[in-house]
Amino acid sequence: DTEVTQTPKHLVMGMTNKKSLKCEQHMGHRAMYWYKQKAKKPPELMFVYSYEKLSINESVPSRFSPECPNSSLLNLHLHALQPEDSALYLCASSQVPQEKLFFGSGTQLSVL
Amino acid sequence: AQSVTQPDIHITVSEGASLELRCNYSYGATPYLFWYVQSPGQGLQLLLKYFSGDTLVQGIKGFEAEFKRSQSSFNLRKPSVHWSDAAEYFCAVAPNNAGNMLTFGGGTRLMVKP
Repeated sequence: DTEVTQTPKHLVMGMTNKKSLKCEQHMGHRAMYWYKQKAKKPPELMFVYSYEKLSINESVPSRFSPECPNSSLLNLHLHALQPEDSALYLCASSQVPQEKLFFGSGTQLSVL
Repeated sequence: AQSVTQPDIHITVSEGASLELRCNYSYGATPYLFWYVQSPGQGLQLLLKYFSGDTLVQGIKGFEAEFKRSQSSFNLRKPSVHWSDAAEYFCAVAPNNAGNMLTFGGGTRLMVKP
């Protein structure tokens, strides 16, 4: 299994909603990442987890809350988002230390 | 700080023609260099990477890239483009002591004419 699975594929939410994005991998990777990608722009790193501990937070607003409950699972909890948070949210994983990232196909988020 | 520039936002080539996508980087030392491809609404797939050694690297799907230190470039090439190559291509760099910390270029959208 060489896949990173993200659910849901599409999500529409209001600014007062609370929702979660889920990412799962069964490759034994111990580093997992969240990226945000606006339309026609490159991905931007949000968070990095290494061995289930948050190692990097790229100054992301607190309305985004990551969680790594175990080595295979990564969540991104969303609360009180703004319309400008609409984007494709990509999850990735890698061995530690390894430079090859495996990306999921993303969750397309629309905030109304 | 490291940065990556992809000078061409859009490129259109005919099917069967050769392709070269440009990438220039700025970094104090020789970084790790990558090319990724992204189809619409999809994640990114690694095409190839350069860490050290032979400056001409071969990747998947018939792509290759050449690292030129003197020009701070890492251009992607393919001798004969297929219609399925139409996608967004991202060049990325990472420090050689943190190879998973990618900084992406702005991307080049490739369109293929029949």
